[in-house]
Amino acid sequence: EAGVAQSPRYKIIEKRQSVAFWCNPISGHATLYWYQQILGQGPKLLIQFQNNGVVDDSQLPKDRFSAERLKGVDSTLKIQPAKLEDSAVYLCASSLKRGTAAYEQYFGPGTRLTVT
Amino acid sequence: LAKTTQPISMDSYEGQEVNITCSHNNIATNDYITWYQQFPSQGPRFIIQGYKTKVTNEVASLFIPADRKSSTLSLPRVSLSDTAVYYCLVGDINTNAGKSTFGDGTTLTVKP
Repeated sequence: EAGVAQSPRYKIIEKRQSVAFWCNPISGHATLYWYQQILGQGPKLLIQFQNNGVVDDSQLPKDRFSAERLKGVDSTLKIQPAKLEDSAVYLCASSLKRGTAAYEQYFGPGTRLTVT
Repeated sequence: LAKTTQPISMDSYEGQEVNITCSHNNIATNDYITWYQQFPSQGPRFIIQGYKTKVTNEVASLFIPADRKSSTLSLPRVSLSDTAVYYCLVGDINTNAGKSTFGDGTTLTVKP
């Protein structure tokens, strides 16, 4: 079974530029999550999708971050404009069943973003 | 939202049993306890999940006392490859009620 795919793996941009991350979850997984993980901290949930609908985006900085999951499969997370404090690893995860982020999740390798 | 508290770091030696405890004093009736493992430059990986008493799988055991205010992840006979960060999460897996949040985890270092 193929895992969660993410691209790119690394990205370096200057502040005020925009960037987009892509995630392809495990086939058949209805729930998709985006996390931000700052160095030395645990992952912080940004947004959770159930199929193509948003379940929880309470911690997403909506003035600069946006995410979509068209057709309930792939997802894109965008940052525009980026700030220095956005430097982090962005993790995508998926789970088979509905529910909160407490359910077993399968994580991708992440995208390491550096904002200079 | 159940807050969790774990030790920041632990050291062990190869072949020893390691027990990592997580405190979750305000756990709700429908909350489950889940543990993840994360290696550098990788996403977290599910290890084990439980509700009460004891759960065991091929890699770990999870002990949950009757009051469920804490839980202990037990790793038998650790090896160098078990060096990683371990996260405890508490949340309701059956509904969208509440949230489940990763804390800062416990960094386990296994020495030869």
